[in-house]
Parts: sequence; structure tokens; C-alpha cells
Amino acid sequence: DSGVTQTPKHLITATGQRVTLRCSPRSGDLSVYWYQQSLDQGLQFLIQYYNGEERAKGNILERFSAQQFPDLHSELNLSSLELGDSALYFCASSVALTGASSGNTIYFGEGSWLTVV
Amino acid sequence: GIQVEQSPPDLILQEGANSTLRCNFSDSVNNLQWFHQNPWGQLINLFYIPSGTKQNGRLSATTVATERYSLLYISSSQTTDSGVYFCATFNTNAGKSTFGDGTTLTVKP
Repeated sequence: DSGVTQTPKHLITATGQRVTLRCSPRSGDLSVYWYQQSLDQGLQFLIQYYNGEERAKGNILERFSAQQFPDLHSELNLSSLELGDSALYFCASSVALTGASSGNTIYFGEGSWLTVV
Repeated sequence: GIQVEQSPPDLILQEGANSTLRCNFSDSVNNLQWFHQNPWGQLINLFYIPSGTKQNGRLSATTVATERYSLLYISSSQTTDSGVYFCATFNTNAGKSTFGDGTTLTVKP
């Protein structure tokens, strides 16, 4: 158990719908990352938050948004869903900004399987 | 952005064999990690290794930052080692991370 909790574990929804994925980082971790893993795109970095602020953005679509709340949990909102959004969505957390300190290991949650039908 | 290339893409071993997985990266990084994704999809951190050598049981890893590559060694492989091994690099300041395409390891009994 990495200590990173993601809900829901599985989700099936229809095209055009909106879903919210939730992540609780490990106790004490300030940095939260979101990744998408699909068969054709591999593991793609979406976005990173640190202590409530957005710090880095990757290949995140405009239909997707995220935020980190004062209690450090994070949510990833996916809207106007398309078939191609079906993927495994990971949340990860670390103590500090990546690379800002030595030993900044990143731990992944078990992922949320999203199927868009 | 940083490019990360892993080789080989696929590896099939007999139980008990040793293997070496390679990760090349295109730019300086100060955070490199190896992960194992098991058949159930879980991503497990193996090593945080921006430079130097670390060992954990049958696994060890070496990163030569100046030459921009990292190696993951698996000795006396077991069927439970099967899965996909990823290396991931993290940009010095921006926090953006890049994963390689992974090496799919199959260990046969």
C-alpha cells in the first residue's frame, strides 16, 4: 500500500458525460500529480499541484481540469467525455517539488479505471 | 521536452535468469525513478536513483547522469517479476515528468 488513495477504482460512463476522480495523497506529501495511461499513449503526465497551487502542466486536455484543496486532496474533472478518454488515471504524491530535494520519491495510487461507452 | 527511451521493449526470461533493462534520457535530470507495473495495473516504486547505484534484494539500479542513462538489473528472476518496468525522469525545476514506453518482462516458470 503506497498510502495514496484514489476513488473510484472503476467507473463506466457514457460519452458526453462528466466525471470527477478523487485522490488523497500520502500523509505529509504536499505535491500531487495526475497521469493518464492508455494503450496507445502510454503513461502521460497531466498536471502537478504543490500545496494547493498548480506547478506544472503536461498533456492535459482543455476538457480536463484539476485542483488541490486546502486539505491537500486533489480532484481531476473530466468533461465532455469521449471514447478515447477511456484509460487508467493515476494520482501520485511526493513530499516536495520534484527534484527540489534529494530523496523525493513519488508514490502512485492504484488508479481509477475509466471506461467511456 | 525530455525524451526517454527504454530497451528492450519486450523481454522473455526463464525463471532464475538475470536481465538488464536500459533507460536513456535526452537531457539533464535530477530525479529519475524506476517503477514496476504489475499485471493488475499497480505502479510500484522500485528506485529513486538520479545518480549512483542502489540495491534492493534481487534488484539493483545504476544511473550515470553524465552519460544520461540508467540500468535496472534483475537477478534470479521470478514469475512475480513479470510486468512492465518504467523509468521516469523529472525536469530539474518544472516538475514535468516523462515516462519511457516501458519494458514488458515475462518470466516463465
